[in-house]
Amino acid sequence: DTGVSQDPRHKITKRGQNVTFRCDPISEHNRLYWYRQTLGQGPEFLTYFQNEAQLEKSRLLSDRFSAERPKGSFSTLEIQRTEQGDSAMYLCASSLDGIWGETQYFGPGTRLLVL
Amino acid sequence: KQEVTQIPAALSVPEGENLVLNCSFTDSAIYNLQWFRQDPGKGLTSLLLIQSSQREQTSGRLNASLDKSSGRSTLYIAASQPGDSATYLCAVKKTSYDKVIFGPGTSLSVIP
Repeated sequence: DTGVSQDPRHKITKRGQNVTFRCDPISEHNRLYWYRQTLGQGPEFLTYFQNEAQLEKSRLLSDRFSAERPKGSFSTLEIQRTEQGDSAMYLCASSLDGIWGETQYFGPGTRLLVL
Repeated sequence: KQEVTQIPAALSVPEGENLVLNCSFTDSAIYNLQWFRQDPGKGLTSLLLIQSSQREQTSGRLNASLDKSSGRSTLYIAASQPGDSATYLCAVKKTSYDKVIFGPGTSLSVIP
C-alpha cells in the first residue's frame, strides 16, 4: 500500500467556480478525515467519516462544502461557488480505529488557489 | 472548548543540540495526543502517538511525554540534525469518536 493519495495536488480556479477533490485512503482504514490548512496555522478539522457514514461536520463548513464517501472507500470534497477565502491546503487523513490507538496518516494535500 | 497551543512558535538551534518542543491543551480529558512533522508544502507525517493511559513514547531520537493533569506534552529531540528542520505539530482527540484538534505548530530550524 502506498499510503493516502490526493488528487489533484494543485488547483487554480476562478471565484464562483465549483471544485472537487478526491482522497484515496489507506485500504481497510475505516476512518477518513478532511482538514483545511492555511499558512502558518495547524490543520483545521472539516469533517470525518467512519466507513461511509459522515459522523461530524465542522460548524466552519458552510453549505457550499459537501463531502461524500461512497461505499466507505475513497472520498470527495466539493466546494461550490468558490470564494477567495477558500484558498488553502486541503488535507485528507485516514486511520484504523483499534485498541492500539488511532494514528492518522495524511496525504500530500491539495493546494487550492481561488483567483 | 479544547484549545491547543505550542511554544515556541519558531526555534533555531545549532546541529547536535538537544531540544524540547512544548504543547499545551486546555481540557485534560483527552483520548490521545499525537505529534506530527510537516515539511514545507507537504502533508503531515505521524511521529508519535500517546494514549491517555500512557506517560511517554519513544522512537529513535524522539521522545514524547504526556502529563494530562497539567495539560502538557513535550517532544524531546536528541542530537538534532539539519534534516530535522520542519514544523512540528501536536494534536489531541477528546474521545475515540471525536475530531482531532491541532496546535499551530513550532517551526524548527537546525543550523549545520
